[in-house]
Amino acid sequence: DAGITQSPRHKVTETGTPVTLRCHQTENHRYMYWYRQDPGHGLRLIHYSYGVKDTDKGEVSDGYSVSRSKTEDFLLTLESATSSQTSVYFCAITQWDRGLHGYTFGSGTRLTVV
Amino acid sequence: GEDVEQSLFLSVREGDSSVINCTYTDSSSTYLYWYKQEPGAGLQLLTYIFSNMDMKQDQRLTVLLNKKDKHLSLRIADTQTGDSAIYFCFGGLSFGAGTTVTVRA
Repeated sequence: DAGITQSPRHKVTETGTPVTLRCHQTENHRYMYWYRQDPGHGLRLIHYSYGVKDTDKGEVSDGYSVSRSKTEDFLLTLESATSSQTSVYFCAITQWDRGLHGYTFGSGTRLTVV
Repeated sequence: GEDVEQSLFLSVREGDSSVINCTYTDSSSTYLYWYKQEPGAGLQLLTYIFSNMDMKQDQRLTVLLNKKDKHLSLRIADTQTGDSAIYFCFGGLSFGAGTTVTVRA
């Protein structure tokens, strides 16, 4: 599983509250990603990182911010959660730089905003 | 952005072949991928094909690529109950919405 751990696995929060999801990896992967999964939409890229302090926006970045202060942790923050951000969030890594194909995903965080 | 389209549902009888189809718009990707998601889990890479190939076989899995029509398919031979899952096509930039495969006895 490329040593990817997401926390928490489940969270219920109220509209307007800040929420931070954590992705932790133990294998020194350079590239990390945050996706959200919604029925009928598949997975959509929120933000990604290509190194410490190097991040960029994905397709659905509005309402989200990220930080990567060290290689092993990639944090996704919802500054003020809204009901439309109820979703399953997946962290992923890629290993293109090691000649390996495809994404490796974490187990996901199910977030419910009430 | 890239559009990747898949049919949403497929029901197949155990032992039959399953065929999952995907169309994409961006033809610049060097590789195209299929992922499998089982309930409560993240996506797992199932197989991939180099864009210069038109077919790749891996045990029960056959990937067909028609680059001219931008059509990718995944065939699962002798479908088993463990093949029940959501299958995602990844066109290099975007994921499709996923095809839910249900295997019935």
